[in-house]
Order: sequence, then C-alpha cells, then structure tokens
Amino acid sequence: AQTVTQSQPEMSVQEAETVTLSCTYDTSENNYYLFWYKQPPSRQMILVIRQEAYKQQNATENRFSVNFQKAAKSFSLKISDSQLGDTAMYFCAFMQIQGAQKLVFGQGTRLTINP
Amino acid sequence: SQTIHQWPATLVQPVGSPLSLECTVEGTSNPNLYWYRQAAGRGLQLLFYSVGIGQISSEVPQNLSASRPQDRQFILSSKKLLLSDSGFYLCAWSRLPGANVLTFGAGSRLTVL
Repeated sequence: AQTVTQSQPEMSVQEAETVTLSCTYDTSENNYYLFWYKQPPSRQMILVIRQEAYKQQNATENRFSVNFQKAAKSFSLKISDSQLGDTAMYFCAFMQIQGAQKLVFGQGTRLTINP
Repeated sequence: SQTIHQWPATLVQPVGSPLSLECTVEGTSNPNLYWYRQAAGRGLQLLFYSVGIGQISSEVPQNLSASRPQDRQFILSSKKLLLSDSGFYLCAWSRLPGANVLTFGAGSRLTVL
C-alpha cells in the first residue's frame, strides 16, 4: 500500500518569504500522480499543483513549484513571495494510475504566513 | 461547468442516532465519487469510492455505509452513530478519462454527542 509522509506538522514564515514544504512517499508503482492540496480555514480542499511521475520537468503554477525527485520518492512544494492568503493546511497526496484512482493523503503541514 | 454540492454543512447528532450525508454532482455524467473523513488536525482518510451506480468499495471497516442510488448522487449513512464518527466529511468527484484530479465539496462537519 502507498503511504505519504509529511514530516513538518507546522511551519511559519514572514510575508514575502519563500517556504518549502516537504513530502515523501512510498510506492512500488512506476507511474503515478502527485498532488499538493491546500485547505484554508474555510476547510475547502483546493488543488494547488499536480505532477505526473513520468514527466521529469517539475510542475509550476505561478508562485507554486515542486521539486520532484522520483528516485528519492520526494515531492516538495515551494511557495515563493508568500502571501497572507497562503495561510492554510497543505496536504501532499498520491494517486496510482493503474486500478482504482484513489488519493492517499499525508497528514498535512499547517503553514502560517505572518505579516 | 461542473459543481459539487454537499449537505448538511453541519450536523450535531446524539450517539445511537442515524446519519445521512448527501453529495450530488452537476454538469457531468458517470463520475467517480468518493467519501473522505478528516479527524481533527489530521489528514484525510478514504472511506468509500464508487465508479458507477450501485458500485461501492469500502476502504476501512467502520460503522458507516455508502450508497449511490443515482449516477451523480452519493450518500453516506449510519444506522447508529458512535462518538468516534465525529469529524469532517468530504465528498469528491473525478471524471474519466484522465480522471487524475479530485474536486472536493465544501464538507460536512459532524459532531456526535
């Protein structure tokens, strides 16, 4: 079974700083997807960024980018020029391609952006 | 465009009472549907998923059940709630082909007293 581990329960940075959230996963699959979801205080789950394992190029969405290291099974999220609205729980998630397409989540990192 | 609705948003129920949480998706057909639970301060645990009407897969043994009476309707139920059923329940959907993105509803907060 796949597992996702987020080793940082909480992080806090100043506005405009850059912050990196860590995620590691365990799988025997070769092809899969990785995601970062954001859950603000409203508790709505919002997709931040997605990475296909077969793509070597790291995904980027505006201020959000990932560092995908397939051999190390590592998938970190970098937030540049952090904003107050980035304050949220961030969840790393894994989805296998074969079989049932289910998301397996990490325990989350609570990120606080301070003014 | 596709939308997902989930209700009720909040629910306070006594131990031993029944439960029904409903989720519907609009603007698509034959979606994959999911129920997740989020305990306080923790990650999301997959409870059930469905790839079609009447097709339900359970991920963990528990006091809950799920049904899919219509293509875009997914219901989470319990006959007798336990204190441990308290939590935040999220419904999600994805669409084939290329169904690799789950879109979540706004969630239902259940408190069992």
